[in-house]
Amino acid sequence: NAGVMQNPRHLVRRRGQEARLRCSPMKGHSHVYWYRQLPEEGLKFMVYLQKENIIDESGMPKERFSAEFPKEGPSILRIQQVVRGDSAAYFCASSPEGYNEQFFGPGTRLTVL
Amino acid sequence: KQEVTQIPAALSVPEGENLVLNCSFTDSAIYNLQWFRQDPGKGLTSLLLIQSSQREQTSGRLNASLDKSSGRSTLYIAASQPGDSATYLCAVNSGYSTLTFGKGTMLLVSP
Repeated sequence: NAGVMQNPRHLVRRRGQEARLRCSPMKGHSHVYWYRQLPEEGLKFMVYLQKENIIDESGMPKERFSAEFPKEGPSILRIQQVVRGDSAAYFCASSPEGYNEQFFGPGTRLTVL
Repeated sequence: KQEVTQIPAALSVPEGENLVLNCSFTDSAIYNLQWFRQDPGKGLTSLLLIQSSQREQTSGRLNASLDKSSGRSTLYIAASQPGDSATYLCAVNSGYSTLTFGKGTMLLVSP
């Protein structure tokens, strides 16, 4: 049973470009969460999704960031017009239902030049 | 707003010692609490999940306790080994299905 998969593992973008981060939850999990870990800071919640629905996006920056979890395919976290401050590790987690144990992927490390 | 604090921020012990990592949270209305391990440059590995109705959970050399009323949890590691060296994170689920994390305790176990 494969765990949570994220790709790419490392992503380098220049300022102003777009970054797309992908997350495939564990088999049987329909709840996906995105967290961000900035250098020297703790993990911060960004967004919580179920298939085709955004349940909670209270941690998502108001501009440039969006997330989706389509009926088919992985969840996508999209960052438009990246800036240096977006450089961080982005982690995806999944659970079979809400309030359950969350299982994390290996993360995508985004570097903005 | 839930806040999670972990003490100490860093800990260095010789191999074989028993040790305790502390986690405190400000809002006692929680659904569950998870302890994770994070190795440098890696993802998070879930170690233990304690439901709000439970007092403790055990897995091998690890034991986690929860005192919801006082807003505290401890992670006890018995007979520490160099392979236990990592950052240990405490995370609280306060009922919105999202986790609030502490900043972690960086543990170094020397041979």
